[in-house]
Amino acid sequence: AQRVTQPEKLLSVFKGAPVELKCNYSYSGSPELFWYVQYSRQRLQLLLRHISRESIKGFTADLNKGETSFHLKKPFAQEEDSAMYYCALTGQGAGGSEKLVFGKGTKLTVNP
Amino acid sequence: DTAVSQTPKYLVTQMGNDKSIKCEQNLGHDTMYWYKQDSKKFLKIMFSYNNKELIINETVPNRFSPKSPDKAHLNLHINSLELGDSAVYFCASSPSLFYRGSSLHFGNGTRLTVT
Repeated sequence: AQRVTQPEKLLSVFKGAPVELKCNYSYSGSPELFWYVQYSRQRLQLLLRHISRESIKGFTADLNKGETSFHLKKPFAQEEDSAMYYCALTGQGAGGSEKLVFGKGTKLTVNP
Repeated sequence: DTAVSQTPKYLVTQMGNDKSIKCEQNLGHDTMYWYKQDSKKFLKIMFSYNNKELIINETVPNRFSPKSPDKAHLNLHINSLELGDSAVYFCASSPSLFYRGSSLHFGNGTRLTVT
């Protein structure tokens, strides 16, 4: 069964400090992993996905298959980064389709 | 130019009532979804439709009935509302059933409060 674990429900850092949001996954196949972000009262939006190996808004995430992790990192947090962050994994759904399985989310607060 | 739009944004109703939430996407996507975000912010898939055909039903009670008149629309009808149905419901779409190389596009959510 596919599972995404975000061990930290809440994370609070000061502006300018490094931030790391942890994500571990369980999946028997070849996973595709994503980070989604939800700013206050806004829709969820894709932040980045591991296959793109991109940096968005200063965030990066590296897929570590050995540790089954996909931690989200940013070297210098900004106040506008305060949001809810969800790690997500493509998992097998009915009829061979794939579905996106989300972790429980981490609320990041960046203090001035 | 809203990509995925849901109505209403807020819905307050009493237990036992029947209500509907509408969703429309103008992205030309084949696949649409309903997700439920509970009070603890946990997101869980409820349904997915591909070209008007039900693909995923994640053990959602029969009181929830999705309807897709065409591939651009996926409405959610809820019968006999219960207190536990209070949540934010997100509609989403993707180009096709398969995620690889693509991502979900979410609506703004409908905050349902059952009193």
